[in-house]
Amino acid sequence: SQQGEEDPQALSIQEGENATMNCSYKTSINNLQWYRQNSGRGLVHLILIRSNEREKHSGRLRVTLDTSKKSSSLLITASRAADTASYFCGISETSGSRLTFGEGTQLTVNP
Amino acid sequence: EAQVTQNPRYLITVTGKKLTVTCSQNMNHEYMSWYRQDPGLGLRQIYYSMNVEVTDKGDVPEGYKVSRKEKRNFPLILESPSPNQTSLYFCASNLSGQGASAGYTFGSGTRLTVV
Repeated sequence: SQQGEEDPQALSIQEGENATMNCSYKTSINNLQWYRQNSGRGLVHLILIRSNEREKHSGRLRVTLDTSKKSSSLLITASRAADTASYFCGISETSGSRLTFGEGTQLTVNP
Repeated sequence: EAQVTQNPRYLITVTGKKLTVTCSQNMNHEYMSWYRQDPGLGLRQIYYSMNVEVTDKGDVPEGYKVSRKEKRNFPLILESPSPNQTSLYFCASNLSGQGASAGYTFGSGTRLTVV
């Protein structure tokens, strides 16, 4: 069953603005991973945050994790038109070895 | 270059005609998995394999078969395809047989249409 649920479903912003996407999940996790997908292409791994971490940075990406609320957020700062893509959170549950995804957030960055 | 290679990239077939989508990885990864992606449903896992000769069902295994005879290959077999299997398919791999301890590497996808 799908464990990750991204919010919002779609987000449209102007170049230079920040974009924030959220992910909620239902069970205990080992880690949570964010991926990017350009239209019709394979997913590309962006960042992994473990259950004992609260925040992680990678370039213009900032990920937070709140295990008490079972939620995570992905912040893309100073967005660019090239950031236009779908973003997915992948949930790695403690109960198994699988990675499950939600429906994703479609981000559009307008030049 | 480290990668997951899927073939074919596009496939149109008729109902009932058996087909195989191949997946190969060159990273010596233990874990491999198949997903399908449909509008409004996101990515759903079909089957996964934690190592050679070890496979298990995901969330939507009906109508699919897999095998893992070698570490690098994980083919997806549709014995009798039906129109509801029209979808975008992704193969993915991960270093650890325990699955998602690190980021997955995805293939470029196979767009399958069953008429």
